[in-house]
Amino acid sequence: EPEVTQTPSHQVTQMGQEVILRCVPISNHLYFYWYRQILGQKVEFLVSFYNNEISEKSEIFDDQFSVERPDGSNFTLKIRSTKLEDSAMYFCASSDDEKLFFGSGTQLSVL
Amino acid sequence: RKEVEQDPGPFNVPEGATVAFNCTYSNSASQSFFWYRQDCRKEPKLLMSVYSSGNEDGRFTAQLNRASQYISLLIRDSKLSDSATYLCVVNLYNFNKFYFGSGTKLNVKP
Repeated sequence: EPEVTQTPSHQVTQMGQEVILRCVPISNHLYFYWYRQILGQKVEFLVSFYNNEISEKSEIFDDQFSVERPDGSNFTLKIRSTKLEDSAMYFCASSDDEKLFFGSGTQLSVL
Repeated sequence: RKEVEQDPGPFNVPEGATVAFNCTYSNSASQSFFWYRQDCRKEPKLLMSVYSSGNEDGRFTAQLNRASQYISLLIRDSKLSDSATYLCVVNLYNFNKFYFGSGTKLNVKP
């Protein structure tokens, strides 16, 4: 069964560093998303991506964040100058225009 | 007003019990409705879609009431393995935008 894959599963970084979280969406899906979940809190929408551009972004997705689809398969989330409060689980998801499928997430820890 | 609202629980039930969760949504233009299951520190996984006619998958039954804008999930004969957080998700189909409830936590006790 096709699945969304994310790497790395865990990322530890120092405050102020840049991190890139990687995702390979399901191959025939056209809509891609990043969500985050702080431990014990709800899943929060960050950004959606369609047709090689951002279709929507939340208030959380400020200038510190960027997304890219550098080739036909990868979808990345870059976080510049990480802060302690960026520590969370980051989920990539893709959609077939109806259902949403999640990757297993990257646990980001900012020290 | 939140787009999707759920009772956070927790619901603590004994094995074998029947438990029901409700979820309300605010946007009448919503088109697709889902229940996801999330285990601790794991990704949400699609449990079932919810259709106007209602649908059943084994011990799980989902219902949609468009007039009242709510969705329900019924779990019969609860198992220990049903312990998880259940997320209500609504899709504004034309925009492919998904709204998440905050989740309802279920603890099934032996």
